Amino acid sequence: LAKTTQPISMDSYEGQEVNITCSHNNIATNDYITWYQQFPSQGPRFIIQGYKTKVTNEVASLFIPADRKSSTLSLPRVSLSDTAVYYCLVGDTGYSTLTFGKGTMLLVSP
Amino acid sequence: NAGVTQTPKFQVLKTGQSMTLQCAQDMNHEYMSWYRQDPGMGLRLIHYSVGAGITDQGEVPNGYNVSRSTTEDFPLRLLSAAPSQTSVYFCASTTNSGSPNEQFFGPGTRLTVL
Repeated sequence: LAKTTQPISMDSYEGQEVNITCSHNNIATNDYITWYQQFPSQGPRFIIQGYKTKVTNEVASLFIPADRKSSTLSLPRVSLSDTAVYYCLVGDTGYSTLTFGKGTMLLVSP
Repeated sequence: NAGVTQTPKFQVLKTGQSMTLQCAQDMNHEYMSWYRQDPGMGLRLIHYSVGAGITDQGEVPNGYNVSRSTTEDFPLRLLSAAPSQTSVYFCASTTNSGSPNEQFFGPGTRLTVL
């Protein structure tokens, strides 16, 4: 199983860009990289997924270098409502390969 | 669409009691799963199902049973509750295709075992 490592916590201010990096040194050829967001007392919510290079949607961007041993979730101009835990997952189609680590607690201050 | 629904929202049990956590989805998703989340921890997979009549164990299956008689429902049964099963339980569903698809999570059930 590909193990992921991400910072335990990060602090930011409203309006700033936030980049959360996830390390996954033993990522397999078939693995995708997926990020989820979780607010207190709620289930996780899908943010973005990618395999290589760059993926962008209306919420975030995901940067994946050529070696795919890490990835960076970029949140543009964060607001207070972006305060949440962000999880990086690496795996293929099987449920048994998807593991939620402890995630990164992002705190956005005014 | 209601998405993924879970009942009850909160439950208190005494050690040794049994109960069933209900999960239903109206998106016709093939895959459904149960996770538990303990304070300060990520989610750990308990059981999952890739379709009606098919279930499999996840990372922490002991003390829990599941069945999948319909596409829509995936109940989780605690046979004899223990304090170690105090946790927040999330049910999730997703479609079956060639990549790990977006999982849709329910609102969770907060269980306390005394």
